[in-house]
Amino acid sequence: KNQVEQSPQSLIILEGKNCTLQCNYTVSPFSNLRWYKQDTGRGPVSLTIMTFSENTKSNGRYTATLDADTKQSSLHITASQLSDSASYICVVSATSGGGADGLTFGKGTHLIIQP
Amino acid sequence: KAGVTQTPRYLIKTRGQQVTLSCSPISGHRSVSWYQQTPGQGLQFLFEYFSETQRNKGNFPGRFSGRQFSNSRSEMNVSTLELGDSALYLCASSLAASGSYEQFFGPGTRLTVL
Repeated sequence: KNQVEQSPQSLIILEGKNCTLQCNYTVSPFSNLRWYKQDTGRGPVSLTIMTFSENTKSNGRYTATLDADTKQSSLHITASQLSDSASYICVVSATSGGGADGLTFGKGTHLIIQP
Repeated sequence: KAGVTQTPRYLIKTRGQQVTLSCSPISGHRSVSWYQQTPGQGLQFLFEYFSETQRNKGNFPGRFSGRQFSNSRSEMNVSTLELGDSALYLCASSLAASGSYEQFFGPGTRLTVL
């Protein structure tokens, strides 16, 4: 069964500090991996989408890494800001050209940035 | 380009009633997917529509149904509402197959069933 596990479930850090969120998956065959940011009560917003051949991808202060061999991804946030407080969701796509039923969602990491 | 829009944003219903939610995708996007999000379960896939056809369906009872119109706008309907249907309902649009193309989510409809 395809699964996506995210850790930690929740995290509290001080403003200005860096943090790293983890995503481990057992999805096969692998097509791509996505990170989303979801503010409370809002829809998820895409941060990055990475294919098998991409090891690192950045979007401003967000940097995602992918190790397809170990089936792990991480999302690193640099110099955190209060606006980074949100849930971060990892999503893995099982097949290229497939539909939404091939997407496996993690339950997210709830990040709180304290001033 | 305008983003994905969902109406209404908030809805309160009572058990046994039915509800219809609407989603307008980004212009040019042909695929619309629907998800239910609850605090304990995360995002659960409901169904996906492409060119007015239901492409695939998640593991939800038949009370949950949907459709897509020729302009790609989509609606989902929940009949005989239960307390457990209280959730944030999200729709997402993509250019084509959601597995390959980036999905763009709407703001969601918060449904409360009393």
